[in-house]
Amino acid sequence: GAVVSQHPSWVICKSGTSVKIECRSLDFQATTMFWYRQFPKQSLMLMATSNEGSKATYEQGVEKDKFLINHASLTLSTLTVTSAHPEDSSFYICSAPSIVSGSWTDTQYFGPGTRLTVL
Amino acid sequence: SQKIEQNSEALNIQEGKTATLTCNYTNYSPAYLQWYRQDPGRGPVFLLLIRENEKEKRKERLKVTFDTTLKQSLFHITASQPADSATYLCALERSGYSTLTFGKGTMLLVSP
Repeated sequence: GAVVSQHPSWVICKSGTSVKIECRSLDFQATTMFWYRQFPKQSLMLMATSNEGSKATYEQGVEKDKFLINHASLTLSTLTVTSAHPEDSSFYICSAPSIVSGSWTDTQYFGPGTRLTVL
Repeated sequence: SQKIEQNSEALNIQEGKTATLTCNYTNYSPAYLQWYRQDPGRGPVFLLLIRENEKEKRKERLKVTFDTTLKQSLFHITASQPADSATYLCALERSGYSTLTFGKGTMLLVSP
């Protein structure tokens, strides 16, 4: 199956600093990627939909100026957490829809996640 | 509002038995429902998708049922193994969007 990678797998930063998380589709092109956040024992919450070559679509309640998304190529989307605070500490996961025979399918391939800890 | 409910209590079963996990939803009319497996500290892995016009779907030791009248899906793992221990997430298409909404998941623990 298709592979989605994330980097870094974990990061610890000081409050007030910015952190960039990369999401790459390794063996397929992804014009759309999704960014989720997951708190302990909670469900995955969709934060935004990243679209290659255009602005991201953010979910209600997600600050677009705080969580900057850049989808600069068909295989890379980045999420930058700006001015991070302890409450931003979470597990951030990206995903990309799978494509079969040139058509979107309804399933998603997920990255391994990035654990962010803000001190 | 749309809700997805999965049993929050861990399910403990013995190796070799059949595990059955439940996903209930309200205020939804999803075209399909998906099940994912998530191991600690990892991203979810897709397992099965079942569409609204399908009653049952199988893949190796996995079986999923979908009852749109009861608004419920059952996920079965037959001949369970300790390696099946993980959290299993139910996900539905979000109405009007090409995105997924996930339940909190149910942790399955299979003891030898």
